[in-house]
Amino acid sequence: GDSVTQMEGPVTLSEEAFLTINCTYTATGYPSLFWYVQYPGEGLQLLLKATKADDKGSNKGFEATYRKETTSFHLEKGSVQVSDSAVYFCALVSRLGANNLFFGTGTRLTVIP
Amino acid sequence: DTAVSQTPKYLVTQMGNDKSIKCEQNLGHDTMYWYKQDSKKFLKIMFSYNNKELIINETVPNRFSPKSPDKAHLNLHINSLELGDSAVYFCASSQASGGYEQYFGPGTRLTVT
Repeated sequence: GDSVTQMEGPVTLSEEAFLTINCTYTATGYPSLFWYVQYPGEGLQLLLKATKADDKGSNKGFEATYRKETTSFHLEKGSVQVSDSAVYFCALVSRLGANNLFFGTGTRLTVIP
Repeated sequence: DTAVSQTPKYLVTQMGNDKSIKCEQNLGHDTMYWYKQDSKKFLKIMFSYNNKELIINETVPNRFSPKSPDKAHLNLHINSLELGDSAVYFCASSQASGGYEQYFGPGTRLTVT
């Protein structure tokens, strides 16, 4: 079945450090891939997405590239800020049949000044 | 205007009670969902509705029942609440099935005592 495996946290970085959160997936066909972010006490917000192989999603300085050959969608940011502290979820939606969104386990990022 | 709204934001109740959580979306989306987030932040889909038809029904207890009076609303009813039902419940919506991103509500924190 479809699934997402995400790098376990928590991750603690200093401000302006480089961030990578690994995500790999298993899916039938060619899913759409997403990164969602959950700030403390809030709901999930879509951070970025990619719908086909080699697509790069980007938003707020974050980037992720849909790699079909490695079934990966790693999240990166060149210089993190304290305000990036949140839980990040990798997710996929299969375009076959029902719109079931599978989430990874989430990675908690803490950025310290 | 809030795109996806949920009420109440917090719900504290005793075991054995019956409660409901309401969800409304003003995005004109065709599909709505309920997710459960446990204490470890793991998210799992519970239900989805597309044009008033249940299209996903994960293995959740039949004490949980979604009810959709119209396309803009998907309420979650829970009978005979148990301690293990304590979690954050998120409502979401998407334009349609087939790889579209989902927009989440702010969540309802349910505590069963």
